[in-house]
Amino acid sequence: EVRLVESGGGLVQPGGSLRLACAGAGFNFSNYEMNWVRQAPGKGLQWVSYISSSSLTIYYADSVKGRFTISRDNAKNSLYLEMNSLSAEDTAVYYCARADDGYNRYWGQGTLVTVSS
Amino acid sequence: SYELTQPPSVSVSPGQTARITCSGDVLPKQYAYWYQQKPGQAPVLLIYRDRERPSGIPERFSGSSSGTTATLTISGVQAEDEADFYCQSADSTGTYPEVFGGGTRLTVL
Repeated sequence: EVRLVESGGGLVQPGGSLRLACAGAGFNFSNYEMNWVRQAPGKGLQWVSYISSSSLTIYYADSVKGRFTISRDNAKNSLYLEMNSLSAEDTAVYYCARADDGYNRYWGQGTLVTVSS
Repeated sequence: SYELTQPPSVSVSPGQTARITCSGDVLPKQYAYWYQQKPGQAPVLLIYRDRERPSGIPERFSGSSSGTTATLTISGVQAEDEADFYCQSADSTGTYPEVFGGGTRLTVL
């Protein structure tokens, strides 16, 4: 059974930083591309970032480019999202998802990031 | 960038057929994907590559695409199908950035 478990969310002040993690299990993590997708309260889904299986290819949404950094450690079956210069607009549930050929086949349960003073 | 447009809401009675559309200029060139999200839960993949259904997804969920419109059809709607539905596609030049439609709330009357 494929499992994705996010962690690291919480309350952070505007301008602050946070690091999210996603642990994968039940599949060969190192073989798969991964995405971060977020959902602001009461809003729709927004793709945030992508990383290839080897970390050689990385993409970001324009709204987070220059502030967020995606990375992975295949030896630890883990995906990360380093978030800096956070603002209220970054408040959302952040999901990690396994990216199977252009779509998100499996999703974690999400971790809530709240940016507020 | 590009946009995918969905109706905000669709309502049907139990046993009827619900159709949720997703419109976008990229759809003649790229596949459409559909997700279902129930309150407080993570999205679940319903349809990939326009019409393919992952294992475990009931046959009453089907997808199609023609021109600039992709359609998710739910036949014999059940009360448990009440949820938000999102379409997703890719940029015309490649897979990323991914773009999601705004979502459609399905209400089972």
